[in-house]
Amino acid sequence: GQQLNQSPQSMFIQEGEDVSMNCTSSSIFNTWLWYKQDPGEGPVLLIALYKAGELTSNGRLTAQFGITRKDSFLNISASIPSDVGIYFCAGQGAGGTSYGKLTFGQGTILTVHP
Amino acid sequence: NAGVMQNPRHLVRRRGQEARLRCSPMKGHSHVYWYRQLPEEGLKFMVYLQKENIIDESGMPKERFSAEFPKEGPSILRIQQVVRGDSAAYFCASSRDRINEQFFGPGTRLTVL
Repeated sequence: GQQLNQSPQSMFIQEGEDVSMNCTSSSIFNTWLWYKQDPGEGPVLLIALYKAGELTSNGRLTAQFGITRKDSFLNISASIPSDVGIYFCAGQGAGGTSYGKLTFGQGTILTVHP
Repeated sequence: NAGVMQNPRHLVRRRGQEARLRCSPMKGHSHVYWYRQLPEEGLKFMVYLQKENIIDESGMPKERFSAEFPKEGPSILRIQQVVRGDSAAYFCASSRDRINEQFFGPGTRLTVL
């Protein structure tokens, strides 16, 4: 089945620093999504990407859908303490049995030191 | 506009009992997905339903697990004869259609004693 490799697994940064994380896949995806999950809560959608090469921003967040449709990255600029959490990438397949369901990366645990 | 609702938020069952997890999608959403998350892991797809139909159940264990999304009322994920390995967080997501973004509920944390 489809698998996503997300890196890094964890990051420890100082407040104000920029953060970058990425996901790669052996399969093509039609859609890439980035979510943030706080402890005890469900994932919250941050950014959705629908076209290869698309670059989208949401405040201090920027994400790109790779040209090959097999990768995506998320950047967070000028991190603040409330950015702490687990970030997940998710891909939605290109058809057939892949329609609908999301395949998730393993997550990046972000810790921000004040 | 209310988000995806799930209840209960926490459920404790003894081995052999049944667990019923409920999910009400966002208003205007007719596509529902169930995912399972084990501790320290990402979410794993279980089943995709559209009103009264199971579209994709490729991620759901063949035995003891079932899901439905009736014409009226919430979607139900049912686990019969629970075992300790079923302990996990179960998340429901909904979308307007199958290619639109999915929005998640707060999850149900199932603990099997």
